[in-house]
Amino acid sequence: KAGVTQTPRYLIKTRGQQVTLSCSPISGHRSVSWYQQTPGQGLQFLFEYFSETQRNKGNFPGRFSGRQFSNSRSEMNVSTLELGDSALYLCASSFTGVGNTIYFGEGSWLTVV
Amino acid sequence: GQNIDQPTEMTATEGAIVQINCTYQTSGFNGLFWYQQHAGEAPTFLSYNVLDGLEEKGRFSSFLSRSKGYSYLLLKELQMKDSASYLCAHTGRRALTFGSGTRLQVQP
Repeated sequence: KAGVTQTPRYLIKTRGQQVTLSCSPISGHRSVSWYQQTPGQGLQFLFEYFSETQRNKGNFPGRFSGRQFSNSRSEMNVSTLELGDSALYLCASSFTGVGNTIYFGEGSWLTVV
Repeated sequence: GQNIDQPTEMTATEGAIVQINCTYQTSGFNGLFWYQQHAGEAPTFLSYNVLDGLEEKGRFSSFLSRSKGYSYLLLKELQMKDSASYLCAHTGRRALTFGSGTRLQVQP
């Protein structure tokens, strides 16, 4: 059974640009969560989607957004990139969300220059 | 991580036993996870405790006390490959909330 797949793995963007990251969950998993990981802040929760609806949201500005498609695949978008957005963005999937084990993808390394 | 505390760094010797502690605020608690993360890699699931007590899985064991808001991860017969960060996370009402992680260095 394939794991959580994230694309792209590595990318470099310029300040002010926008970026879209993609995540394909484990087959059968309907909950997809996104996390930002930086050395200083650790793993910070961005948002969670379940059945195409955003069910939970962390404390990030509106520049961070996401969506989920009918096949449970998810994308997250960051607009007007700032240097501080440089981080590892991790996607995780589970069957139904809170209370279930979540499984992480390899992550997308974003560098903003 | 918000409301979760764990030591920043620990060092132990190959073959020894190490205990990594985690404390958390008990409101809205549903369960406690431990993940292992090697440098440059994604976190991988180690254990999940929802009831009080000790759960053993080979060389790794995890303990939970819900009334005390306390958990620990016990690693026995340490190997060099156990050098990694260990993340404690609890399932609150909204989402899985992670601690900042404990970086474990295993020395020969």
